[in-house]
Amino acid sequence: DAMVIQNPRYQVTQFGKPVTLSCSQTLNHNVMYWYQQKSSQAPKLLFHYYDKDFNNEADTPDNFQSRRPNTSFCFLDIRSPGLGDAAMYLCATSTRTGVDGYTFGSGTRLTVV
Amino acid sequence: KQEVTQIPAALSVPEGENLVLNCSFTDSAIYNLQWFRQDPGKGLTSLLLIQSSQREQTSGRLNASLDKSSGRSTLYIAASQPGDSATYLCAVREYGNKLVFGAGTILRVKS
Repeated sequence: DAMVIQNPRYQVTQFGKPVTLSCSQTLNHNVMYWYQQKSSQAPKLLFHYYDKDFNNEADTPDNFQSRRPNTSFCFLDIRSPGLGDAAMYLCATSTRTGVDGYTFGSGTRLTVV
Repeated sequence: KQEVTQIPAALSVPEGENLVLNCSFTDSAIYNLQWFRQDPGKGLTSLLLIQSSQREQTSGRLNASLDKSSGRSTLYIAASQPGDSATYLCAVREYGNKLVFGAGTILRVKS
């Protein structure tokens, strides 16, 4: 089945230690998104790639970076995680038009100790 | 700026009851609206997608309606089951590839 896969499902990192979360897709979608979801809150868009074009949300902290080396993979890098960065990180994809909606991965739960 | 509101924030019902979850959005210039289900600690599963030109979509016991002019959508769940217990999220896609979410409705169906 075509899908969006996030690894790892759970990630524990130390305060200030860089961490990378990964996302891959077999849907061949043009657009890939990273969302942050804190407990009992709505998912918040951090940034998205439209093909190779990177689009950062205005309020996304500089601590968060992303890479998309090819159509299938996208990475979220947190350069110096703080306690406030503990959250569920959700990767999603869509076609260029978005007519078929968004497809989400299972998420990565990040804990900062 | 688009804002999406979901009411109620939480709902507890006995098994077998029909129920309605509400979603409202402030800017009617949307491309489509999508309802998702989220189980605790998990990702989002798409339930129904309604294009801006459509009025409703149905899948099994689920029916979603859209009134774009009034900025409202409802998700109707028929004959609820304990397995329906989850958080239900409404999200609108704006022109420009951005999906804006509501905070969700936490549903508990008691057996």
